[in-house]
Amino acid sequence: DVKVTQSSRYLVKRTGEKVFLECVQDMDHENMFWYRQDPGLGLRLIYFSYDVKMKEKGDIPEGYSVSREKKERFSLILESASTNQTSMYLCASRSQGNEQFFGPGTRLTVL
Amino acid sequence: RKEVEQDPGPFNVPEGATVAFNCTYSNSASQSFFWYRQDCRKEPKLLMSVYSSGNEDGRFTAQLNRASQYISLLIRDSKLSDSATYLCVVNGTLLTGGGNKLTFGTGTQLKVEL
Repeated sequence: DVKVTQSSRYLVKRTGEKVFLECVQDMDHENMFWYRQDPGLGLRLIYFSYDVKMKEKGDIPEGYSVSREKKERFSLILESASTNQTSMYLCASRSQGNEQFFGPGTRLTVL
Repeated sequence: RKEVEQDPGPFNVPEGATVAFNCTYSNSASQSFFWYRQDCRKEPKLLMSVYSSGNEDGRFTAQLNRASQYISLLIRDSKLSDSATYLCVVNGTLLTGGGNKLTFGTGTQLKVEL
């Protein structure tokens, strides 16, 4: 069964902290994505990666960076968390087809 | 104009009712269309793809109108378990490395009541 896992379901951090969100997929997919989901704004693409060590900016990359050292793992990094980064973060992966499989999400609160 | 637009709802319907959602998209070059379902506090999951000729999966029917750039989802004989948010998804910009970026609508909330 297809599986995308995320390191935490809930996370509370303070302004200025460095935050790491981890995502692992077991489907050998080339493409992995990080989104944030906010009420009224829907899912917005932050970054994606199409191969190990390859990354591309999505629609809202400011304040974020990513790392993909292994094919199965894609990390989202908030260098200095701010309150406007409080959100639900969803990781997804897919092969060359269009169906994306999502992880369960991490609800991040920045105080 | 948003790339993908949906009525946020909520649509409150009695069990057994038929309900339809529409979604419009702005990129006329889009080739693939989908409906995803998202339960409360859960991740989105693919409900069904939408094909040019329209397609059906049990109680669910999806239609595409390329001329008017909208897609629809019809749910017949609604069940309590159909209560969820339905996301309209359209593929668009080609991504580096292959494949297309998926653009998600903000979703339409459905509440099926006794």
